[in-house]
Amino acid sequence: GDSVTQMEGPVTLSEEAFLTINCTYTATGYPSLFWYVQYPGEGLQLLLKATKADDKGSNKGFEATYRKETTSFHLEKGSVQVSDSAVYFCALSDRAGNTPLVFGKGTRLSVIA
Amino acid sequence: GAGVSQSPSNKVTEKGKDVELRCDPISGHTALYWYRQRLGQGLEFLIYFQGNSAPDKSGLPSDRFSAERTGESVSTLTIQRTQQEDSAVYLCASSLQESNTEAFFGQGTRLTVV
Repeated sequence: GDSVTQMEGPVTLSEEAFLTINCTYTATGYPSLFWYVQYPGEGLQLLLKATKADDKGSNKGFEATYRKETTSFHLEKGSVQVSDSAVYFCALSDRAGNTPLVFGKGTRLSVIA
Repeated sequence: GAGVSQSPSNKVTEKGKDVELRCDPISGHTALYWYRQRLGQGLEFLIYFQGNSAPDKSGLPSDRFSAERTGESVSTLTIQRTQQEDSAVYLCASSLQESNTEAFFGQGTRLTVV
């Protein structure tokens, strides 16, 4: 079945460091890909998405490019802030395969000043 | 309301009791999901409703868990004979049918079994 694998955390970075959180997927169809974020004490919210190959999703300085050839959707940010400390989840949706929203295990990011 | 609403927000129950958790999705959203998130862990898929199709129950961990949905409206997740390992935050999300649309999450129900 469809699945998402993302890098294990926790990740600890200094402010203004470069961030990469790796995400790869397995899907039978042509899924849409998402990054969700869960800030401390808050619910999950969408960070960005991409719906087809080579699309780039972006929001709040974060970017991720849908790479069909490597089945990846890595999350990047050039300069992290303390306020980016959260848990990040990679996810896919493959309605053509009637697959519900499938999440990775999450990566906890801590940014220190 | 404008978002996904879950109730109760917190529930403490004694081991062996039944509990019922409620989710009100966003109006017009045909897809509804239940997930479980244990402390410090990722999201564990439980069940998925999509319109009039048969629900995908493949994630339900045991026959103590069941869920229903009334049309494209409210859903209830029932846990019978609760166990301590059922303690977790139960998250509900809803979305439109199309796969390229985002899912909107409720704030969750924090269940504690004592």
